[in-house]
Amino acid sequence: SQQGEEDPQALSIQEGENATMNCSYKTSINNLQWYRQNSGRGLVHLILIRSNEREKHSGRLRVTLDTSKKSSSLLITASRAADTASYFCAIITDNNNDMRFGAGTRLTVKP
Amino acid sequence: NAGVTQTPKFQVLKTGQSMTLQCAQDMNHEYMSWYRQDPGMGLRLIHYSVGAGITDQGEVPNGYNVSRSTTEDFPLRLLSAAPSQTSVYFCASSYSAQANTGELFFGEGSRLTVL
Repeated sequence: SQQGEEDPQALSIQEGENATMNCSYKTSINNLQWYRQNSGRGLVHLILIRSNEREKHSGRLRVTLDTSKKSSSLLITASRAADTASYFCAIITDNNNDMRFGAGTRLTVKP
Repeated sequence: NAGVTQTPKFQVLKTGQSMTLQCAQDMNHEYMSWYRQDPGMGLRLIHYSVGAGITDQGEVPNGYNVSRSTTEDFPLRLLSAAPSQTSVYFCASSYSAQANTGELFFGEGSRLTVL
């Protein structure tokens, strides 16, 4: 399998806490993307980090990439109940047109 | 802009029936793709297209056909539905013919049940 694998599968936290999700992969990548999916909806792009980048921020989101360990993490700071969703990492395989998704991390933020 | 529009949202088929899931985008995107999402398995790529007249297979293409006659439309055809094709199907598009250079925009999904 050349897809990313998220960890943990499920995460439950209190509002205001930080949430950290991890993604590991096995192949060389050009970039890695994180997506969010609310229940019953389509996926929404959150952030893209390129292989030559180590960290990227977008609002309350912080993404890191360690290509030597073939892993990435998504940190959501000061979480809100509205952050409750599934989060997926997506990697690009060698042919550059084949984006592979993991099974996702299901985040529950309790008010 | 409507973005990526999928129809129908829900469909029930009997084994052996055929149908077409429609996908249309109004963003003039070159790249379009179809994924299926099954519990615990994430999204798996079925077929994709990098432009009108060009299609290619993804990870799980068997039992599905696609065509891309226009930039806007990318229908997915189930030739002879099987219970294993019960899933949620997502269409996605990107402004670049190389999916990795930009974000994917997803439709809201089509939920298919094959009895």
